Amino acid sequence: EIVLTQSPATLSLSPGERATLSCRASQNVGSYLAWYQQKPGQAPRLFIYDASNRATGIPARFIGSGSGTDFTLTISSLEPEDFAIYYCQQRGDWPPMYSFGQGTKLEIK
Amino acid sequence: QVQLVQSGAEVQKPGSSVRVSCKASGSTFSSYSFTWVRQAPGQGLEWMGEIIPIFGTTHYAPKFQDRVAFTTDESTSTAYMELTSLRSEDTAVYFCATRYCTTTNCYLGYFDPWGQGTLVTVSS
Repeated sequence: EIVLTQSPATLSLSPGERATLSCRASQNVGSYLAWYQQKPGQAPRLFIYDASNRATGIPARFIGSGSGTDFTLTISSLEPEDFAIYYCQQRGDWPPMYSFGQGTKLEIK
Repeated sequence: QVQLVQSGAEVQKPGSSVRVSCKASGSTFSSYSFTWVRQAPGQGLEWMGEIIPIFGTTHYAPKFQDRVAFTTDESTSTAYMELTSLRSEDTAVYFCATRYCTTTNCYLGYFDPWGQGTLVTVSS
């Protein structure tokens, strides 16, 4: 089973600042990594897939990078609506044995 | 526009079973895959498994292998998740989701859109 470890657990920043979220995989997942945003009481929403591709409708300030075991989600300049929990997820296993990281809570400082 | 609508909240007793439904619209049902993810109160996301009707395949996370079953009904465009031998630790919101598609490709293993979630409470 591939374990994803996200850091930090909580990130406190102000609007306009740059956010850097990390996700480390216990095994090589290539570029098969996604990032999701979840707000309270809502379902998750796909933001980044294949490590660096923005999903439909996702603003350009969201930048995914990395490959292998180390991945980063960067939000170049935080908007008020960006404060939420972000999860990474891998699809590197076959047969499918997908997994999520434990999440990073991005909160307003 | 693909949409997934799930059944309503459930309260079940320990040892019983629960079945959650997920009705799909907006695309050809046979083209869907359905993933099930759960989220305990205040906790993160946990992948339970997936069913791919067009391939006739199901894959379950080892943790749930012995207690969960995924099925689909093409006549009603609905997917189902049944979890048996419920215990208090199964109290969670259960989500269905389908594979993400762009205008040119679909990606098994990435999930969007999602259903709204179904709260299952296990309590005596």
